[in-house]
Amino acid sequence: DSGVTQTPKHLITATGQRVTLRCSPRSGDLSVYWYQQSLDQGLQFLIQYYNGEERAKGNILERFSAQQFPDLHSELNLSSLELGDSALYFCASSGGQGFPETQYFGPGTRLLVL
Amino acid sequence: AQSVTQLDSQVPVFEEAPVELRCNYSSSVSVYLFWYVQYPNQGLQLLLKYLSGSTLVKGINGFEAEFNKSQTSFHLRKPSVHISDTAEYFCAVTTDRGGSYIPTFGRGTSLIVHP
Repeated sequence: DSGVTQTPKHLITATGQRVTLRCSPRSGDLSVYWYQQSLDQGLQFLIQYYNGEERAKGNILERFSAQQFPDLHSELNLSSLELGDSALYFCASSGGQGFPETQYFGPGTRLLVL
Repeated sequence: AQSVTQLDSQVPVFEEAPVELRCNYSSSVSVYLFWYVQYPNQGLQLLLKYLSGSTLVKGINGFEAEFNKSQTSFHLRKPSVHISDTAEYFCAVTTDRGGSYIPTFGRGTSLIVHP
């Protein structure tokens, strides 16, 4: 158990809809990262938050947004969903101390867009 | 820009045999290297990492990896595998991006251990 929790575990929705994925980092970790894992793209970095502020951005679509709240949990919002957004979405956390740290991954949310 | 190539998408091996999973990276600056393992229906967990110092790095579950700067490689090895090592293995490279360290992951190698 990494200490990172993600809800829900599974999500099935339709094209055009909007969903919210939730992540709670390990106790004491200030950084949260979101990743998308799909068969054709592999594991892609989406976005990082550190102590409530956006820190780094990767291949995140404009239809996707995220935020980190004062209690450090984070949400990833996916809107106008397309079939190609079906994937496993991981959240990871780290201390955020400014050096290459181990990231601790949650179990993921499997999203299926029909 | 940095990139990672995992040369084998699948590696089948018999139990108790040695295994090597290959990883090559590309970067114009100093790198930090990681191997993560993903068991079925789970998130990734760290096996080992190279930040600096000795180029031979030992990790959990009997795995080790060697950083070879001249060959830009970070191959993962285990002298004797178990059935329980069956999983997906990811190599990752990260560099300093203005104080932020975001890993770039390879496509993964599926290690399949047969009895």
